[in-house]
Amino acid sequence: EVQLVETGGGLIQPGGSLRLSCAASGFTVSSNYMSWVRQAPGKGLEWVSVIYSGGSTYYADSVKGRFTISRDNSKNTLYLQMNSLRAEDTAVYYCARDKLAAAGLGYYYYMDVWGKGTTVTVSS
Amino acid sequence: IQLTQSPSFLSASVGDRVTITCRASQGISSYLAWYQQKPGKAPKLLIYAASTLQSGVPSRFSGSGSGTEFTLTISSLQPEDFATYYCQQLNSYREGLTFGGGTKVEIK
Repeated sequence: EVQLVETGGGLIQPGGSLRLSCAASGFTVSSNYMSWVRQAPGKGLEWVSVIYSGGSTYYADSVKGRFTISRDNSKNTLYLQMNSLRAEDTAVYYCARDKLAAAGLGYYYYMDVWGKGTTVTVSS
Repeated sequence: IQLTQSPSFLSASVGDRVTITCRASQGISSYLAWYQQKPGKAPKLLIYAASTLQSGVPSRFSGSGSGTEFTLTISSLQPEDFATYYCQQLNSYREGLTFGGGTKVEIK
């Protein structure tokens, strides 16, 4: 079964660091684009970061320079290292697989597999 | 790229035809997906490439549009469809992906 399970969330003080993990089963993380998406309490979805199958990484402006996405191929696991945390980083963090498929005359990405999320609360 | 969804809230009855609009601040071809999210749950993919139905999603869901204007239509609303719906543009990871603000569909 294709599945993603996030862990590592918790309560952390402003300025602190936390590392989220996303363990995959049923497919290979390193063969796919993989993203982190977050949702602040009562708010909408916000894309955070992506790591390409080739290893390139991109970030939302709101987290650039503070968050780092990475993966461990031997563990088939995706990570999000979060430093210099702020109150506005409080959210449920989801990992997702970014799948590429042909449709019509082109190729398109979409997020087809999501984890259940892990909650990060930044508060003193 | 900004995505503006309308309406942000919609009250409808079972059996109603429902249409949600998503407008992009610049052209994104057909690099748009739609997701459904229920309270406390992860988003679920409904539509990708603006109009391609994800496997396993009921055919009452359909998507259309390209460029800057897109729509998600539910042809006959069912009790399990009461949820929040989000559009997402995947035009360029380098420039950042964005989601619309969401449309909450509630029972009238």
